[in-house]
Amino acid sequence: AQKVTQAQTEISVVEKEDVTLDCVYETRDTTYYLFWYKQPPSGELVFLIRRNSFDEQNEISGRYSWNFQKSTSSFNFTITASQVVDSAVYFCALSEGSSGTYKYIFGTGTRLKVLA
Amino acid sequence: ETGVTQTPRHLVMGMTNKKSLKCEQHLGHNAMYWYKQSAKKPLELMFVYSLEERVENNSVPSRFSPECPNSSHLFLHLHTLQPEDSALYLCASSQVTGAFNEQFFGPGTRLTVL
Repeated sequence: AQKVTQAQTEISVVEKEDVTLDCVYETRDTTYYLFWYKQPPSGELVFLIRRNSFDEQNEISGRYSWNFQKSTSSFNFTITASQVVDSAVYFCALSEGSSGTYKYIFGTGTRLKVLA
Repeated sequence: ETGVTQTPRHLVMGMTNKKSLKCEQHLGHNAMYWYKQSAKKPLELMFVYSLEERVENNSVPSRFSPECPNSSHLFLHLHTLQPEDSALYLCASSQVTGAFNEQFFGPGTRLTVL
């Protein structure tokens, strides 16, 4: 069965610290997609990144980086030099490539608090 | 500016009321979704529409009734709700349905059922 686990419920860091948000997933599909979304206090989820199961290259976008490791079924997200504006709830999600599926499976989210 | 808008942003209703949530997307997408977000639970997919046809009903109670009159608008009609239905209801859209598509979310409607 498919599942996404974000074991960290809440993390607090001081501004300029680096922080890593963990995501572990379970799936039987060989084709799947992994996503990260940010939910600021305003409520809407903001798309950050998508990875497909055949692309294990790590990705960097400014202060954000993602580490995808199929061997450990993990897709971790690191924020370098965190800022107060990074405070939000971050969700990891899995979407399987089987035909006819429309579902994202979301984790329970990690609340990140960045303190000034 | 978000491409997906939702109204109202906050709603308080009694268990006997009937109300509707509205979602509009300005992105030219063909798929729209309703999600329920409760405290300390993963987001729950409720309904999926593709080209105005419902393609997924994720075992949602009949007191929630979706409507998609066109590809830009999505409604969620509510009647005889229960207090446990209090949650943030999020609307999303994507170019098409499919595992690879990123979804774009609205800000949600915070619903409180008394």
